Amino acid sequence: KQEVTQIPAALSVPEGENLVLNCSFTDSAIYNLQWFRQDPGKGLTSLLLIQSSQREQTSGRLNASLDKSSGRSTLYIAASQPGDSATYLCAVEIGDSNYQLIWGAGTKLIIKP
Amino acid sequence: DGGITQSPKYLFRKEGQNVTLSCEQNLNHDAMYWYRQDPGQGLRLIYYSQIVNDFQKGDIAEGYSVSREKKESFPLTVTSAQKNPTAFYLCASSIQHRDYGYTFGSGTRLTVV
Repeated sequence: KQEVTQIPAALSVPEGENLVLNCSFTDSAIYNLQWFRQDPGKGLTSLLLIQSSQREQTSGRLNASLDKSSGRSTLYIAASQPGDSATYLCAVEIGDSNYQLIWGAGTKLIIKP
Repeated sequence: DGGITQSPKYLFRKEGQNVTLSCEQNLNHDAMYWYRQDPGQGLRLIYYSQIVNDFQKGDIAEGYSVSREKKESFPLTVTSAQKNPTAFYLCASSIQHRDYGYTFGSGTRLTVV
């Protein structure tokens, strides 16, 4: 059974630092991996989607990598800003159920001014 | 602007009462989903629908029911059989194709009083 883990559960860093969020999954048979952002009490915003054949995707200050063989993905945030404070969730789309996403519990990120 | 609208934002349910959460999308997406989010846990799939008049149970369907009479609408009813309904409920939609990502609504917070 596919399981997705995000460590750490919470992270606090000073503004301006570069940081890495981690996501690991137990079964490499995935279709894609997605990173989302969730602000308190709000819905999810899609950040990046990496197809299983890709190694990385970039959007602005965000870069997500995927290593299927090791079951890992990282979300790199460059030059962090207080507005980046949110919970970041990763999810993998698996192949044994139609359109089934398996979710990590998220990393709560706080950027201190 | 295209998007997903969930209502109400906050909902209070008395013991033994059924309540219905609304989800409407104007994105012309074929697939729609309902997720439940509890603190410290990943999102869990309740029901999903890939086409009008058809829907499938997710991992935690017991105590919930849905309908898909129109492409734009996918309401979720939380019945009295759901013994622990207090949670944050998220509706999502997607194009009927892998690797195109998901759009989420802003959520409904349901509390049992």
